[in-house]
Amino acid sequence: QSVLTQPPSASGTPGQRVTISCSGSSSNIGTNTVNWYQQLPGTAPKLLIYSNNQRPSGVPDRFSGSKSGTSASLAISGLQSEDEADYYCATWDDSLNAWVFGGGTKLTVL
Amino acid sequence: EVQLLESGGGLVQPGGSLRLSCAASAFTFSNYAMSWVRQAPGKGLEWVSSISANGGATYYADSVKGRFTISRDNSKNTLYVQMNSLRAEDTAIYYCAKSQRATVTTWDWFDPWGQGTLVTVSS
Repeated sequence: QSVLTQPPSASGTPGQRVTISCSGSSSNIGTNTVNWYQQLPGTAPKLLIYSNNQRPSGVPDRFSGSKSGTSASLAISGLQSEDEADYYCATWDDSLNAWVFGGGTKLTVL
Repeated sequence: EVQLLESGGGLVQPGGSLRLSCAASAFTFSNYAMSWVRQAPGKGLEWVSSISANGGATYYADSVKGRFTISRDNSKNTLYVQMNSLRAEDTAIYYCAKSQRATVTTWDWFDPWGQGTLVTVSS
């Protein structure tokens, strides 16, 4: 059972907009910034969004992040087949004194 | 380009030990905190441990506390994790990842990640 809750799966057709939620608590998302990682099949995770809504250089602006209260969201617009991957949210938990990850969301492009 | 290269994985019996290494290049290793994150087969990501840039502060997940020890050799640009009393549930790909700051802080993120090394604990 992960400290951060994500839906196990999400899907969309090319061109659509999809969102992935990440729910936490006052000791983690409610207090600290949220990062998102993308893991393409068979590869290492890659930073996708940091500090709630910042994109590293090279990440398309189709990807956006937001945070409100104890929840965060990742939005992907103009869905493409190469976006098919697992997506993880992460943040620091002040009570656990540890980094915590969501369980991951497998995105399928239909 | 910043690179992280893990090594040291393999098959080990329950109760055994293993030391993983992560060789860093193309950045000033001694200026940044580092972490280990693992992923069991078919499962999600789990943070294992973090260490500050000078090695003076270390943090562990409860699942490995007392069994794993994170360390670094800044003269060799290398991060380590010594894993003792290994259990079947420690079977995973172990990734090292670079932080953006010298200390382990809440306002931080892991970037980049290494390619990982597989640890299998089985008799």
